[in-house]
Amino acid sequence: DIVLTQSPGTLSLSPGERATLSCRASQSVSSSYLVWYQQKPGQAPRLLIHGASSRAAGIPDRFSGSGSGTDFTLTISGLEPEDLAVYYCQQYADSPLTFGGGTKVEIK
Amino acid sequence: QVHLQESGPGLVKPSEALSLTCTVSGASISSYYYWSWIRQPPGKGLEWIGYYYSGNTNYNPSLKSRLTISIDTSKNQFYLNLRSVTAADTAVYYCVRGNQQSYEYYMDVWGKGATVSVSS
Repeated sequence: DIVLTQSPGTLSLSPGERATLSCRASQSVSSSYLVWYQQKPGQAPRLLIHGASSRAAGIPDRFSGSGSGTDFTLTISGLEPEDLAVYYCQQYADSPLTFGGGTKVEIK
Repeated sequence: QVHLQESGPGLVKPSEALSLTCTVSGASISSYYYWSWIRQPPGKGLEWIGYYYSGNTNYNPSLKSRLTISIDTSKNQFYLNLRSVTAADTAVYYCVRGNQQSYEYYMDVWGKGATVSVSS
């Protein structure tokens, strides 16, 4: 199985700051199959980024994804209070589909 | 707009079967999407359970021996049946639409989730 390791576990930042979330894969993952989701408290996850860098419909442009191979990054430029959430990366380059353990973003 | 809605018992006894239904509106379940189940144990991360796609299924190997995912096109519903449950199966269960476009795969529509507890 491809293991996805997300870091840091928790990120605590002030509004307006830049958040950088990492997702590292145990083996190379095609960018086409690297996805990011946002899960706000008490809600279902929501698709954020697909294909490593393409924003899903309705996602603000302060969210951006990048990376290739085994290292991927989700960047939130200019944190807003509503960005309080857990962010998960996911791969389906190989079965079984796997998720990272998540990064919790806290707003100071 | 596509909506998915989970339904089923909130409490299941150990060793029994967990059965959930996902009702799809706004799209035909006969269309080429990956009708999927994801679960999330309390306070933990997401776990892929499996999907039904175009007459085939793909299951998480860790659950495969206990799992069946099926669809009913006449009702526009798909189903999860997980047998011989234990407390470790306690989780929020999400039904999800998986989408493959331009060589990408992602899950773009999620239900609100159904909480299932396994307890005697």
